[in-house]
Amino acid sequence: SQTIHQWPATLVQPVGSPLSLECTVEGTSNPNLYWYRQAAGRGLQLLFYSVGIGQISSEVPQNLSASRPQDRQFILSSKKLLLSDSGFYLCAWSFIVNRKGTEAFFGQGTRLTVV
Amino acid sequence: GEDVEQSLFLSVREGDSSVINCTYTDSSSTYLYWYKQEPGAGLQLLTYIFSNMDMKQDQRLTVLLNKKDKHLSLRIADTQTGDSAIYFCAESPPGGYNKLIFGAGTRLAVHP
Repeated sequence: SQTIHQWPATLVQPVGSPLSLECTVEGTSNPNLYWYRQAAGRGLQLLFYSVGIGQISSEVPQNLSASRPQDRQFILSSKKLLLSDSGFYLCAWSFIVNRKGTEAFFGQGTRLTVV
Repeated sequence: GEDVEQSLFLSVREGDSSVINCTYTDSSSTYLYWYKQEPGAGLQLLTYIFSNMDMKQDQRLTVLLNKKDKHLSLRIADTQTGDSAIYFCAESPPGGYNKLIFGAGTRLAVHP
């Protein structure tokens, strides 16, 4: 069976500090990978997605970047955090079926508070 | 455009039915989903419906899709306190890669 791991669960970082959130998937190969952010009282916004190693697509301009150094590893980073980066970050993966995909499976999330 | 809208809050009595509504604007979306988020946790897929279906039933859950009005609903029969959570509607527009467009979520509160 497939599992997704995301860490850390919570993080408090000062403004201007760097960020690195990591997500790994087990039990499957060549998944689509995603980073979503949920701001307080709002829905989820897709930040990045990846269809393969080294392939990153950004959905919205922002202070963040993503990388996929290995097939089942997805990293969300920032060089200098802003207050507005606070939120709940969720990693997700899905199978690829005829390029349409299927359901997305989510990690448990990381609650980031920038102070 | 791509925009999913939901009411933000719903309160029901335990044992009653809950109906959570959603509207979307991309009529070409192939899949429509309902996800559940419990406090401090990630999202769990509850059910999904393919765009060529009108209804899907899965135990206490019933999903209705009105493509003409771009309206999706989730009915939970015999609502229990364990159903208290935030419910997200999401659409998967065509173009591949299974990118999801989420609504803001409906917080369901179940009281005795």
